Amino acid sequence: KAGVTQTPRYLIKTRGQQVTLSCSPISGHRSVSWYQQTPGQGLQFLFEYFSETQRNKGNFPGRFSGRQFSNSRSEMNVSTLELGDSALYLCASSPAFLYEQYFGPGTRLTVT
Amino acid sequence: TQLLEQSPQFLSIQEGENLTVYCNSSSVFSSLQWYRQEPGEGPVLLVTVVTGGEVKKLKRLTFQFGDARKDSSLHITAAQPGDTGLYLCAGGRYNQGGKLIFGQGTELSVKP
Repeated sequence: KAGVTQTPRYLIKTRGQQVTLSCSPISGHRSVSWYQQTPGQGLQFLFEYFSETQRNKGNFPGRFSGRQFSNSRSEMNVSTLELGDSALYLCASSPAFLYEQYFGPGTRLTVT
Repeated sequence: TQLLEQSPQFLSIQEGENLTVYCNSSSVFSSLQWYRQEPGEGPVLLVTVVTGGEVKKLKRLTFQFGDARKDSSLHITAAQPGDTGLYLCAGGRYNQGGKLIFGQGTELSVKP
């Protein structure tokens, strides 16, 4: 079974721009979660989508948003990029009602 | 607020030595997961423990969930250079779906 895929793997953006990251979960997984990983803060939960609905949300500003499509694929968007948004953005998928989360390779976002 | 404290943060040992990584919290979790992450990649799930006092063994790795479900440990026997990486613990709760709280990680380096 194919793993979680994320595109693009690397991205360089300028302050003030916006960015969209994409995630394709493992086939059959309906829950998709997004995390931000930085050296200073570690892995922090952004939000989770299940059956196209946001089920949980972390403590990030409204510039961070996401959505899930009917095929469980998910996108996250960051508007008005700031230097501090530079991070590895990780997507994870999970079967419904289980705890195991399977992570993709991440998208490395650099904001200059 | 860091709800999961991992220790030690850094560990450098020689091949063949044993080691233990600790993950502690003042809060109760429904489940505790351990991941291993290599540079530039997403975390890879090693194990999930859900029952207080549970012990799971995977080859040279032994995982334990505390009786009160507030802490966990990872013990590696006869460490090998291939064990090098970032080890992360993450706690989940029934009422929070896919949201995981991560510890700050333990950087393990095993020298030949």
